[in-house]
Amino acid sequence: NAGVTQTPKFQVLKTGQSMTLQCAQDMNHNSMYWYRQDPGMGLRLIYYSASEGTTDKGEVPNGYNVSRLNKREFSLRLESAAPSQTSVYFCASSETWDSPYGYTFGSGTRLTVV
Amino acid sequence: SQQGEEDPQALSIQEGENATMNCSYKTSINNLQWYRQNSGRGLVHLILIRSNEREKHSGRLRVTLDTSKKSSSLLITASRAADTASYFCAMHGSSNTGKLIFGQGTTLQVKP
Repeated sequence: NAGVTQTPKFQVLKTGQSMTLQCAQDMNHNSMYWYRQDPGMGLRLIYYSASEGTTDKGEVPNGYNVSRLNKREFSLRLESAAPSQTSVYFCASSETWDSPYGYTFGSGTRLTVV
Repeated sequence: SQQGEEDPQALSIQEGENATMNCSYKTSINNLQWYRQNSGRGLVHLILIRSNEREKHSGRLRVTLDTSKKSSSLLITASRAADTASYFCAMHGSSNTGKLIFGQGTTLQVKP
């Protein structure tokens, strides 16, 4: 099915370990986003890429890096994981930032840092 | 902060009743959107309303926007058990259009 695919779905890391969350979309969307969602809270924007070749910081970028590898793929890297980064991470994409169809979200990556 | 505040935080109704959720925000916006999230799943886009629009409909959904009061409401008519989910408002600020900022959500339970 067309949409946004995130890998892995679950991950447990030890404090200080690094990892990369992968995201790919097959809808030919220009813009891609990474959010985190903590229990009982809304989503907070980590980084976004308005178009291929550009990335910008969101609300909570500290401790993360991103790479817009090509139009389809947008990865999120944790260089040195901390327990505060335990969260559910969602990748999303949109045709443009103000598309009337909004954002299409992946199913999320549940990350636990111990 | 542009973040929306939603009210109520939780809502429980009977099937067939209408559900109304409200969202308030602090600064001027370009557009406001509503999303649904079923437990343990990703978010699904419901509707987008632009700052120059006052009301939009989509099926059983009705969204209003009052920019003078900096508020929006989502009405779900004739609710069904399948409408049980969390609902989030999100907005693009008029000056920083790349960032879609979410509210904390309303949890809706529809009892059969």
